[in-house]
Amino acid sequence: DSGVTQTPKHLITATGQRVTLRCSPRSGDLSVYWYQQSLDQGLQFLIQYYNGEERAKGNILERFSAQQFPDLHSELNLSSLELGDSALYFCASSPSRGGNEKLFFGSGTQLSVL
Amino acid sequence: DAKTTQPTSMDCAEGRAANLPCNHSTISGNEYVYWYRQIHSQGPQYIIHGLKNNETNEMASLIITEDRKSSTLILPHATLRDTAVYYCIASNAGGTSYGKLTFGQGTILTVHP
Repeated sequence: DSGVTQTPKHLITATGQRVTLRCSPRSGDLSVYWYQQSLDQGLQFLIQYYNGEERAKGNILERFSAQQFPDLHSELNLSSLELGDSALYFCASSPSRGGNEKLFFGSGTQLSVL
Repeated sequence: DAKTTQPTSMDCAEGRAANLPCNHSTISGNEYVYWYRQIHSQGPQYIIHGLKNNETNEMASLIITEDRKSSTLILPHATLRDTAVYYCIASNAGGTSYGKLTFGQGTILTVHP
């Protein structure tokens, strides 16, 4: 158990819909990262938050947004969903801003868009 | 992040050492070598990382060549539970890359009885 909690574990929805994925980092960790894993793209970095502020952005679509709340949990919002958004979404956390340290990953949310 | 090259798959007998190679010939001086693994769609798990010197922890050893162009992850006594995809990543995660890691295709390690 990494200490990172993601909910829900599975999510099935339809095209055009909007969903919210939730992540609770390990106790004391200030950074949260979101990754997407699809069959054709592999594991891709989406976005990082540190202590409530956006720190780094990767290949995140404009239809996707995220935020980190004062209690440090984070939410990833996916809107106008398309079939291609079906993927595993992982959240990870680390103690600081993202130095040379290890990331702790949650068990992921499997999103299926039908 | 520097590009890394890993074999697509490897086999190992249970109880034997698993040696997973990684090539990172364009690695820059401030890039670390990280190893993560992913067991059957679970979240990636950190294994070890290093800059220049060889590193060892309770999970594995990391051997980095003197020119830093390649490295080897060693699982000293592989078990069936070590069957996973192993990712080698070269990243200056503390610099402009912050904590974002570029995962490649990795090596599928299969440990058999």
